[in-house]
Amino acid sequence: NAGVMQNPRHLVRRRGQEARLRCSPVKGHSHVYWYRQLPEEGLKFMVYLQKENIIDESGMPKERFSAEFPKEGPSILRIQQVVRGDSAAYFCASSPGLFADEETQYFGPGTRLLVL
Amino acid sequence: GENVEQHPSTLSVQEGDSAVIKCTYSDSASNYFPWYKQELGKRPQLIIDIRSNVGEKKDQRIAVTLNKTAKHFSLHITETQPEDSAVYFCAAGNQFYFGTGTSLTVIP
Repeated sequence: NAGVMQNPRHLVRRRGQEARLRCSPVKGHSHVYWYRQLPEEGLKFMVYLQKENIIDESGMPKERFSAEFPKEGPSILRIQQVVRGDSAAYFCASSPGLFADEETQYFGPGTRLLVL
Repeated sequence: GENVEQHPSTLSVQEGDSAVIKCTYSDSASNYFPWYKQELGKRPQLIIDIRSNVGEKKDQRIAVTLNKTAKHFSLHITETQPEDSAVYFCAAGNQFYFGTGTSLTVIP
């Protein structure tokens, strides 16, 4: 694993608050992916970003969720007005690109969000 | 979009036996198929991958086979050890549509 960083590792929020999850990809990787994993379930694709662009957000709820990957700094997954159903592990992954030998995704340690 | 199905959902084997996990996919344009291992509370870790231009790939006790015509691929673990116990996920498609996972338990 090439060192994707996520913070915080654990986040507790009350219903109605905002949650901000950060992901720093492997140095040199320009593609970032966010996934959500509910307890004892699989990984659900949420959004795919390249620097300053959202490429595919088909897996992300249209309300309350947003993502960005600015030119400088980490990728941010933002959840507004959190509800208990948002409690999950959120994983970020990065890859160098989409061409052959570039598409392997390396995962971060995840952020465990708990909404009280 | 891609639809990936994975079977079985749980698998128990005796130490030393082989384990096989199967996945099917729907999008014939998919050309990259990774397998990830996830231990409890940890991140998914890539264990092996295969691209559509080959039919089989091996790495020590782990192998993956791909049948593009039938749109299925399988993970084979030989001489299983207790440390192989984990959840295994297959994936397909550029955005990585994951299967639902197989919880493998290796009984010492």
